[in-house]
Amino acid sequence: GENVEQHPSTLSVQEGDSAVIKCTYSDSASNYFPWYKQELGKRPQLIIDIRSNVGEKKDQRIAVTLNKTAKHFSLHITETQPEDSAVYFCAASMYNDMRFGAGTRLTVKP
Amino acid sequence: ETGVTQSPTHLIKTRGQQVTLRCSSQSGHNTVSWYQQALGQGPQFIFQYYREEENGRGNFPPRFSGLQFPNYSSELNVNALELDDSALYLCASSFQGEGTEAFFGQGTRLTVV
Repeated sequence: GENVEQHPSTLSVQEGDSAVIKCTYSDSASNYFPWYKQELGKRPQLIIDIRSNVGEKKDQRIAVTLNKTAKHFSLHITETQPEDSAVYFCAASMYNDMRFGAGTRLTVKP
Repeated sequence: ETGVTQSPTHLIKTRGQQVTLRCSSQSGHNTVSWYQQALGQGPQFIFQYYREEENGRGNFPPRFSGLQFPNYSSELNVNALELDDSALYLCASSFQGEGTEAFFGQGTRLTVV
């Protein structure tokens, strides 16, 4: 089955800096790669996703890149703000059966 | 906020008991997936329901079972509860197909004592 690894487990940046979170997956059949943000005590919220026929996608300060050959994908957050502090999860799936990484706790220091 | 709702929000059960958790999917969605999220970990895929049938299962024992109803809502049943079943149980609603967005409910916090 699919196995997703996520790094780093914790990340601390200064406000305004960029943050990068990386994930690798094992099943070459996976074709959908969402990223979720989870604040303490709340549900995971979809922040951006990418499909296997696309190499890069951007939405304001957030971007995701996908390298199908290497089977890895990354989340990039630019101009970080304190409200970006949360746990971020990557996932890989084919038919909505998402397999998640272990999460990255991002702290943005003002 | 999504249109996915779960009940109850919190639950305390005794080891060996059985529990039923409920999830109402978002309007227009026909697929419900269930996840277990232990403290400090990522959600783990339990199973998915589509057209009222199980449509994929993760590495969970048969005492985890489910149902989907004609209105696409779903139940997760766990028999013979163990202490390690204590976790946040999340359902995610989506429209069946390759690479479609899934939206989570707020979760049910289950504590087994």
